[in-house]
Amino acid sequence: GAVVSQHPSRVICKSGTSVKIECRSLDFQATTMFWYRQFPKQSLMLMATSNEGSKATYEQGVEKDKFLINHASLTLSTLTVTSAHPEDSSFYICSARTGGAAGELFFGEGSRLTVL
Amino acid sequence: GEDVEQSLFLSVREGDSSVINCTYTDSSSTYLYWYKQEPGAGLQLLTYIFSNMDMKQDQRLTVLLNKKDKHLSLRIADTQTGDSAIYFCAESTLSGTYKYIFGTGTRLKVLA
Repeated sequence: GAVVSQHPSRVICKSGTSVKIECRSLDFQATTMFWYRQFPKQSLMLMATSNEGSKATYEQGVEKDKFLINHASLTLSTLTVTSAHPEDSSFYICSARTGGAAGELFFGEGSRLTVL
Repeated sequence: GEDVEQSLFLSVREGDSSVINCTYTDSSSTYLYWYKQEPGAGLQLLTYIFSNMDMKQDQRLTVLLNKKDKHLSLRIADTQTGDSAIYFCAESTLSGTYKYIFGTGTRLKVLA
């Protein structure tokens, strides 16, 4: 099946720094990718929808300036957590959708961010 | 707004069948999905069902959909210890950006 790769899988950073997470669709082109955040023992919270060549659509309550999303190509979307704080520590998961009406959603392996 | 709910925990003995239930509120849902998440990993698509279907079977997995009651279930036959994971149901529609709404997740524990 389709493969979506996320990098890095784990990252530890100091408070105040920025961290970039990459999401790549390896064997298909994805015009739409999604970024989720998952708190421990909780469901996935959709943060934003990343559209190739246009601005991301953010869910209510998600700060656009805090979580910068760039979907520069049909196979790559990036999430940058700017000026990270300990409360941004979480598991971030991306997903990419294959094309067509019956398109499937495939998930990356997730990236665990720890902000010290 | 859309809401998808699941029971939080399920414990079964190895070899028994597991049934994980899900209820949703969006009547315009077109596709309903079941995903599996193992510890520290992303989500793996197990199966999905189109909203005009009542049932779908795929090896040990059986999905039942009651569209009238907006109830979806996943049955795992002959449950194995490797099936221990969190199972998420999700819904999406064909319109717009195909946004997926996930349930709260059911943690399945299989006892040897």
